[in-house]
Amino acid sequence: ETGVTQSPTHLIKTRGQQVTLRCSSQSGHNTVSWYQQALGQGPQFIFQYYREEENGRGNFPPRFSGLQFPNYSSELNVNALELDDSALYLCASSVYGDQETQYFGPGTRLLVL
Amino acid sequence: AQKVTQAQTEISVVEKEDVTLDCVYETRDTTYYLFWYKQPPSGELVFLIRRNSFDEQNEISGRYSWNFQKSTSSFNFTITASQVVDSAVYFCALSEAAYTGTASKLTFGTGTRLQVTL
Repeated sequence: ETGVTQSPTHLIKTRGQQVTLRCSSQSGHNTVSWYQQALGQGPQFIFQYYREEENGRGNFPPRFSGLQFPNYSSELNVNALELDDSALYLCASSVYGDQETQYFGPGTRLLVL
Repeated sequence: AQKVTQAQTEISVVEKEDVTLDCVYETRDTTYYLFWYKQPPSGELVFLIRRNSFDEQNEISGRYSWNFQKSTSSFNFTITASQVVDSAVYFCALSEAAYTGTASKLTFGTGTRLQVTL
């Protein structure tokens, strides 16, 4: 069984640029959630995708957007990067339903200079 | 709004000591789920346990045990005979019951860093 994978592992961007992060869900999972984890903090929910549509969003501005593809993989796009966007971005996959356990990937470390 | 508090920022123990990580939560829902995840230096969150609000039975899995007390809104995690490999950041998380069409998001605490030394 293949676990959740994310790419790239590390990324350096400059303020104002745009970035795309990718996630492949675990086999058998149809839902993908994205979290942002700032240094020394717990992960914060960005949004969740199910059936290729956004299915809930946390307190993040519209410049954070996403996609889900028919194979359940997902992308997180961030436009107009700001210094505070520097964080570990975690993707989690699960089976859609009431409180199914979310399994996390290794994350992408984004540094915005 | 839901909230998770992990008051212990960092704990250091010597190998073979027992250690308890505290977690206190706040929620208005009567149905909710609690989780513990382990985050080693590599960054990946590793799932450890999930409990629902109707199941207050304590659980033991090897050296790990969990004590869920609804009366005090706590879900504490104990590692018995700690090992160096247990060194990591541990997160407690809460998820309120999702209704049809809504996302079941996790609300995390700020984590407890556990350092186990020889």
